[in-house]
Amino acid sequence: DTGVSQNPRHKITKRGQNVTFRCDPISEHNRLYWYRQTLGQGPEFLTYFQNEAQLEKSRLLSDRFSAERPKGSFSTLEIQRTEQGDSAMYLCASRPSGAEAFFGQGTRLTVV
Amino acid sequence: GEDVEQSLFLSVREGDSSVINCTYTDSSSTYLYWYKQEPGAGLQLLTYIFSNMDMKQDQRLTVLLNKKDKHLSLRIADTQTGDSAIYFCAEKTDKLIFGTGTRLQVFP
Repeated sequence: DTGVSQNPRHKITKRGQNVTFRCDPISEHNRLYWYRQTLGQGPEFLTYFQNEAQLEKSRLLSDRFSAERPKGSFSTLEIQRTEQGDSAMYLCASRPSGAEAFFGQGTRLTVV
Repeated sequence: GEDVEQSLFLSVREGDSSVINCTYTDSSSTYLYWYKQEPGAGLQLLTYIFSNMDMKQDQRLTVLLNKKDKHLSLRIADTQTGDSAIYFCAEKTDKLIFGTGTRLQVFP
């Protein structure tokens, strides 16, 4: 197992287009988190799953954002009708029931 | 509420010790973490401490936790140029809440 994997690493899209990111967590990690990080800021929590159940969504997650984890393994984050303010690094993390949370390398989104 | 604060910058000479400080607000946090982020990279877990501990040492890293004051610190002994990065503290209840990060610059 090579850790948390995110795809794509980089995405450039035109304003108004839809984008989807994928996160493959570490095997058997039941919790999966999505964060957004903009330049000079710490990661901001977006949402998290325990297995396939989405347990919490931040108020940052507008109705243009949707996340799924259909089989309790990989997860997708979709942004509809992208705006320039959506440009950021989107980070995924996973952890088992214990303490350690491991992050992927992130997907950098640029909306032009 | 949930809020984590850190100073923005720290500059140290190579070989000296670095101390990065963090304050948090949620007394129900079960674990507190330190992550390292190098330019263009993801977050690397450095160490964490359980909330009922007051100190944890891991090679060059020492974490001190003052639960009464909700203050967390990370000491890096014998700081090297490779330690230059942004360091984030984070508290955990159900999810990780991060500070804004401290940029550590190590000069020769």
